[in-house]
Amino acid sequence: GQNIDQPTEMTATEGAIVQINCTYQTSGFNGLFWYQQHAGEAPTFLSYNVLDGLEEKGRFSSFLSRSKGYSYLLLKELQMKDSASYLCAVKDSNYQLIWGAGTKLIIKP
Amino acid sequence: GAVVSQHPSWVICKSGTSVKIECRSLDFQATTMFWYRQFPKQSLMLMATSNEGSKATYEQGVEKDKFLINHASLTLSTLTVTSAHPEDSSFYICSAGFEEREAFFGQGTRLTVV
Repeated sequence: GQNIDQPTEMTATEGAIVQINCTYQTSGFNGLFWYQQHAGEAPTFLSYNVLDGLEEKGRFSSFLSRSKGYSYLLLKELQMKDSASYLCAVKDSNYQLIWGAGTKLIIKP
Repeated sequence: GAVVSQHPSWVICKSGTSVKIECRSLDFQATTMFWYRQFPKQSLMLMATSNEGSKATYEQGVEKDKFLINHASLTLSTLTVTSAHPEDSSFYICSAGFEEREAFFGQGTRLTVV
């Protein structure tokens, strides 16, 4: 079967750095996506990795290792508004998105 | 990025009635759209894949006669929840996009059945 694993919940302090991990097992791979979702809202796109390595975009960075089936989302200089759920998703060989259950990130002052 | 518009953003209906939710791709043509349902504190659950000009493909466990999907044009897909019951209360989200790019989501529809 196909599955994506990420921690259910994480807590971090405002101004700090947090890393959210994601491991996946899918039939084929056509890219890994990270989305942010605030409560009661639709997900918004954060990052896309299809090749190994680190993609940096402002305070957010995403890393991929295809051989390990592993990715992480790194959030720097945390702000209170970063409190949200972070969803990891992989497109399989049919370009169908397989979703992780999401990681709820709680930012404390 | 591409824009997907979903309407209404919230709706309250009586048990036994039907509710239609629209999903439009505003600046691109979407041959395929996806409908998700999300219960509180849970992740997205794919309900069905909507294909323009053909029947939708439903995920296992999703009743196709209850959740009617119509994709009549390249920019519009609709989801109709028929004979809604309180257990159908959920957050419904549509998405569209391109194979090798990210999915773009509508704003979501909060359905409450009373």
